[in-house]
Amino acid sequence: QSVLTQPPSVSGAPGQRVTISCAGSSSNIGAHFDVQWYQQLPGKAPKLLIYGNSNRPSGVPDRFSASKSGTSASLAITGLQAEDEADYYCQSYDSSLSAYVVFGGGTKLTVL
Amino acid sequence: QITLKESGPTLVKPTQTLTLTCTFSGFSLSTTRVGVGWIRQPPGKALEWLALIYWDDDRRYSPSLRNRLTITKDTSKNQVLLTMTDMDPVDTATYYCVHRPRLMTGTTYFDYWGQGTLVTVSS
Repeated sequence: QSVLTQPPSVSGAPGQRVTISCAGSSSNIGAHFDVQWYQQLPGKAPKLLIYGNSNRPSGVPDRFSASKSGTSASLAITGLQAEDEADYYCQSYDSSLSAYVVFGGGTKLTVL
Repeated sequence: QITLKESGPTLVKPTQTLTLTCTFSGFSLSTTRVGVGWIRQPPGKALEWLALIYWDDDRRYSPSLRNRLTITKDTSKNQVLLTMTDMDPVDTATYYCVHRPRLMTGTTYFDYWGQGTLVTVSS
């Protein structure tokens, strides 16, 4: 049971826009801690996609964007491409006694 | 260029202790606010953060595994070790070593990842 909740799967056709949600609580996202997003291509190590809620590391296309509001966050991918098919994970910091670094359960993006 | 590489046994028996080594380059673990951590991923499952050690030897552990984990660093060798006691088949996973950049307190993320090492727990 992950501390952050993500939908197990989302899908979209090439060129479309998809969003992936990440629900947290008052001890993590709602406590104003930053949210990060990672992309894991099949058989590969995860890669940092978004940091500090909405910042893209160098080399990440601007088709990827993210936002945070209240106790949740979301990742948006526009102009969907076949190579975007991957697992996506959100991550935050938790101040409760039960956690420290927390991840979502991951969302499998399928490009139809 | 920052790189990290995990090494250790690929197969351990139940109840044994696992020791993994992360050998890194391109940064120093004596640099203020830098950290190195471990994250694992069981086959077909989600990422799970395990432990993190900071430049000043501050150590943080996953609450659910705290009693079984020890993370240490050897700054002179550019290595971080993770030991996990009492291994069980449910601990079968790919174990990743990760770099935490120079961030202010209260936020953490991992901008560089090792390739991961698959550890299987089986008798």
